[in-house]
Amino acid sequence: NAGVTQTPKFQVLKTGQSMTLQCAQDMNHEYMSWYRQDPGMGLRLIHYSVGAGITDQGEVPNGYNVSRSTTEDFPLRLLSAAPSQTSVYFCASRPPPYNEQFFGPGTRLTVL
Amino acid sequence: AQSVTQPDIHITVSEGASLELRCNYSYGATPYLFWYVQSPGQGLQLLLKYFSGDTLVQGIKGFEAEFKRSQSSFNLRKPSVHWSDAAEYFCAVGAWPNQFYFGTGTSLTVIP
Repeated sequence: NAGVTQTPKFQVLKTGQSMTLQCAQDMNHEYMSWYRQDPGMGLRLIHYSVGAGITDQGEVPNGYNVSRSTTEDFPLRLLSAAPSQTSVYFCASRPPPYNEQFFGPGTRLTVL
Repeated sequence: AQSVTQPDIHITVSEGASLELRCNYSYGATPYLFWYVQSPGQGLQLLLKYFSGDTLVQGIKGFEAEFKRSQSSFNLRKPSVHWSDAAEYFCAVGAWPNQFYFGTGTSLTVIP
């Protein structure tokens, strides 16, 4: 199993550009989530999904969209990038009922 | 409201010394508790978890943690620290389906 994979590993955007961060898992987990990690703030939940076709907002959803058309994929879209979105983004998945999360390697995003 | 507190932002220990990282939580029901480790530039790896039963749990890399309900704590310990343990450590509290809260992390430096 590849586990949770994320692409790209690094990305530089200009303010106002849009892009999609890809996340995929091959463990057949229903639950998937996106976090951003900023210094001194730990990990903050952006969006999550409890199954295909079901998504919901987390703590910091503004400026991001998600969709879940399949169990495997959970892309995160930045609609119009802003410097405040410079961060490291982690995708995670977890199986019910034991809810430890499995994390991808992260995407380091810089918005100029 | 649910929350996780890691009161120590940064800890420095000498190699071979013992280690204790503190974690306190606020949660209405019996929580599921986790410790993750993050090496520089890497994703998060699960060290150990507590769901129920024995309050002293063993994890990977020689780590253990003790759940103390009366103190709402889940402190991480290691009897003898190795230089490779230098990393960021995150405590987390979770419940199904969509509740998963991270502390802000403790950065560990190991002095040779």
